[in-house]
Amino acid sequence: ETGVTQTPRHLVMGMTNKKSLKCEQHLGHNAMYWYKQSAKKPLELMFVYSLEERVENNSVPSRFSPECPNSSHLFLHLHTLQPEDSALYLCASSHLTGRGNTEAFFGQGTRLTVV
Amino acid sequence: DQQVKQNSPSLSVQEGRISILNCDYTNSMFDYFLWYKKYPAEGPTFLISISSIKDKNEDGRFTVFLNKSAKHLSLHIVPSQPGDSAVYFCAASGEGAQKLVFGQGTRLTINP
Repeated sequence: ETGVTQTPRHLVMGMTNKKSLKCEQHLGHNAMYWYKQSAKKPLELMFVYSLEERVENNSVPSRFSPECPNSSHLFLHLHTLQPEDSALYLCASSHLTGRGNTEAFFGQGTRLTVV
Repeated sequence: DQQVKQNSPSLSVQEGRISILNCDYTNSMFDYFLWYKKYPAEGPTFLISISSIKDKNEDGRFTVFLNKSAKHLSLHIVPSQPGDSAVYFCAASGEGAQKLVFGQGTRLTINP
């Protein structure tokens, strides 16, 4: 138990579906992240939210839409995905100080399969 | 352009021996380095970190070494145990940075 909870753990969706991934952190952190892990690739940072404001969007296609309603919750809304979007999606949180980052704590991930 | 590289996709070590995992980086602005461990179907878990003001940090069986001039860090696990079998990710960040940059990971297998 890392204090970061992701739901669902597994998701299979068609290319025309709309679904959402949810992440919740109970660590009092002020930054939250979405990462994508594809086979044999580094963890790819998708979005960063700091104090509920999106501060980074790493050229992610618009079919991925993040939402951060408060510092404890983060969503990733999915629509019209492609099969190549199948991957493990990881949420993380950390505490940003004036000196920068501390270690990030990860959720267990959502294994997404697009059919 | 990959700023953090783990050039060995896999490593196999005998139980009880030392495991050495390597990581290279290219961005001289990085000043904080971390190692994460990941089991299948789970998220990465933080293992150990080192600040650029140090060249070594030790925590039990785990030691991280940092060579700033070579832009290289390594993780030593001794003695290696079967439960250490996992994928290990190296990560780095710079002062004021709001993100961690990860390497590709190295799959470590400890053989009994």
